[in-house]
Amino acid sequence: DVKVTQSSRYLVKRTGEKVFLECVQDMDHENMFWYRQDPGLGLRLIYFSYDVKMKEKGDIPEGYSVSREKKERFSLILESASTNQTSMYLCASERGGPNQPQHFGDGTRLSIL
Amino acid sequence: GENVEQHPSTLSVQEGDSAVIKCTYSDSASNYFPWYKQELGKGPQLIIDIRSNVGEKKDQRIAVTLNKTAKHFSLHITETQPEDSAVYFCAASRWNNNDMRFGAGTRLTVKP
Repeated sequence: DVKVTQSSRYLVKRTGEKVFLECVQDMDHENMFWYRQDPGLGLRLIYFSYDVKMKEKGDIPEGYSVSREKKERFSLILESASTNQTSMYLCASERGGPNQPQHFGDGTRLSIL
Repeated sequence: GENVEQHPSTLSVQEGDSAVIKCTYSDSASNYFPWYKQELGKGPQLIIDIRSNVGEKKDQRIAVTLNKTAKHFSLHITETQPEDSAVYFCAASRWNNNDMRFGAGTRLTVKP
């Protein structure tokens, strides 16, 4: 089974801090994704990566950046955390190629105080 | 871009009854439609998917139907059990998943 591991289940940070969320997948998947999940809004794509060092913006990239230095690891960075970034963050990976399902981690619930 | 609408937002059924969740999509080029189940404290897990060359797919108590003309697809759960209680998400995408769009989710509660 594919395993996508997010480093923290819960995280509390302060406004203005630089925050790192880490995600690791163990199936040599090409593509990795970061979403945020908010009630009533479903999953919204922040960034995705289709290869090492490659990234593309999703629907809501403002205030975020990403890093993919190794194939198995995809990091989400909040450059200067703000209270409106309090949310559930989900990482996913996918094998690449047409019509492949995404495999999700269990999420990081981030609170910005 | 693609827009996916999902209804209802909440659904409560009695154990043993059927549950139906419906989604519509806007992009006629979408050809892949997965459904995910998210249990409390967990990430979404794929439960079934359908591609546009198929009208219906079934896996035990779960089935998905697709109407390409009307651009809607539905999840059917028969003989519901309390462990089916979760949030369900539909999604739609074109040939690659870079543009996968998710519905807002349906919270299903199965009462014993």
